[in-house]
Amino acid sequence: DVKVTQSSRYLVKRTGEKVFLECVQDMDHENMFWYRQDPGLGLRLIYFSYDVKMKEKGDIPEGYSVSREKKERFSLILESASTNQTSMYLCASSLNRDRTLYSNQPQHFGDGTRLSIL
Amino acid sequence: SQKIEQNSEALNIQEGKTATLTCNYTNYSPAYLQWYRQDPGRGPVFLLLIRENEKEKRKERLKVTFDTTLKQSLFHITASQPADSATYLCALFYPPGGSYIPTFGRGTSLIVHP
Repeated sequence: DVKVTQSSRYLVKRTGEKVFLECVQDMDHENMFWYRQDPGLGLRLIYFSYDVKMKEKGDIPEGYSVSREKKERFSLILESASTNQTSMYLCASSLNRDRTLYSNQPQHFGDGTRLSIL
Repeated sequence: SQKIEQNSEALNIQEGKTATLTCNYTNYSPAYLQWYRQDPGRGPVFLLLIRENEKEKRKERLKVTFDTTLKQSLFHITASQPADSATYLCALFYPPGGSYIPTFGRGTSLIVHP
């Protein structure tokens, strides 16, 4: 089974801090994604990557950046945390052997990081 | 822009009945549609994928239909059990010209009463 591991289940930070959320997958998947999930708004895509060092903006990239230095690891960075970034953050991975932007393979999710910005 | 609608109200049913959840979309039809299950405090788990040229897909007690005329997918759980209680999300994938990055619905909560 694919395992997607997020470094923290719960995290509390202060406004203005630089925050790193880490995600590791163990199935050699090409695609990796970062979402945030808020009540009433559902899952919203922040960034995704379909190869090492490749990244593409999702629907809500403002205030975030990402890093993919190794295939198995995808990091989400909050450059200067703000209270409106308090949310559940979910990482996912999927197969994409063609390394295109187009892949319909199932996404495998981690269990999320509940981030609170005070 | 594309909109996906899933019932925001929870669906309450009795154990043993068939649960039917709806995913409606606007504008053009997706090339693929997926259904996920999400338990509280956990990430979504993939259940089924259906392509636009498929009318129906089954897996054990699960059945998904895809009607491009109605712009709707239905997700059925037969002989439902309390353990089926969860939030169910649909995700739509669009062809190039759009993107194969999925667009998720907000999910519908299913509560199966013993």
